[in-house]
Amino acid sequence: AQSVTQPDIHITVSEGASLELRCNYSYGATPYLFWYVQSPGQGLQLLLKYFSGDTLVQGIKGFEAEFKRSQSSFNLRKPSVHWSDAAEYFCAVVRDGGFKTIFGAGTRLFVKA
Amino acid sequence: NAGVTQTPKFRVLKTGQSMTLLCAQDMNHEYMYWYRQDPGMGLRLIHYSVGEGTTAKGEVPDGYNVSRLKKQNFLLGLESAAPSQTSVYFCASTSRGYEQYFGPGTRLTVT
Repeated sequence: AQSVTQPDIHITVSEGASLELRCNYSYGATPYLFWYVQSPGQGLQLLLKYFSGDTLVQGIKGFEAEFKRSQSSFNLRKPSVHWSDAAEYFCAVVRDGGFKTIFGAGTRLFVKA
Repeated sequence: NAGVTQTPKFRVLKTGQSMTLLCAQDMNHEYMYWYRQDPGMGLRLIHYSVGEGTTAKGEVPDGYNVSRLKKQNFLLGLESAAPSQTSVYFCASTSRGYEQYFGPGTRLTVT
């Protein structure tokens, strides 16, 4: 069965430090991959997406992610974290003809001053 | 352009009571979804709809019913609420089934 794994339940980084959030997927074909962010008390907002082409994709708020087929990974990165980046981040994959999304369990990011 | 809206934002029910959550979108999206979010479990799909008048079961449909009488609205019903249905409920919509647009959520507590 298709699945999405986010190995880190929570991560703490210092403001200004770099960030990498891990995501691994299990899917038979080339997947459509997404990262969403959820601020406290809010719904999810799309950060970036990968469908095909360049394996390094840029998103909003200075985030980027790299698709690595050989590792079945789609890790999210940011060179310098801001306090406002503290939130929960969800990796997701689209399956079944494109109208069902499977979400990872999420990684909560804490930013310390 | 309000996007996806959900009502109510908060609700407390007693076991056995019923209620309906309303989701509305003004983006003319074909597909709509109801998820529940529980700590450490990500989002789980309850029911979804690929068009007006059609609905289908998701991953965790038991105890819930849905209706999509109008393209812009997707209703989630709890016929007889149970404490296990305490959760945060999110509605989402999409036009081509890829990027989803989420509402702000409804926090439901069943006592």
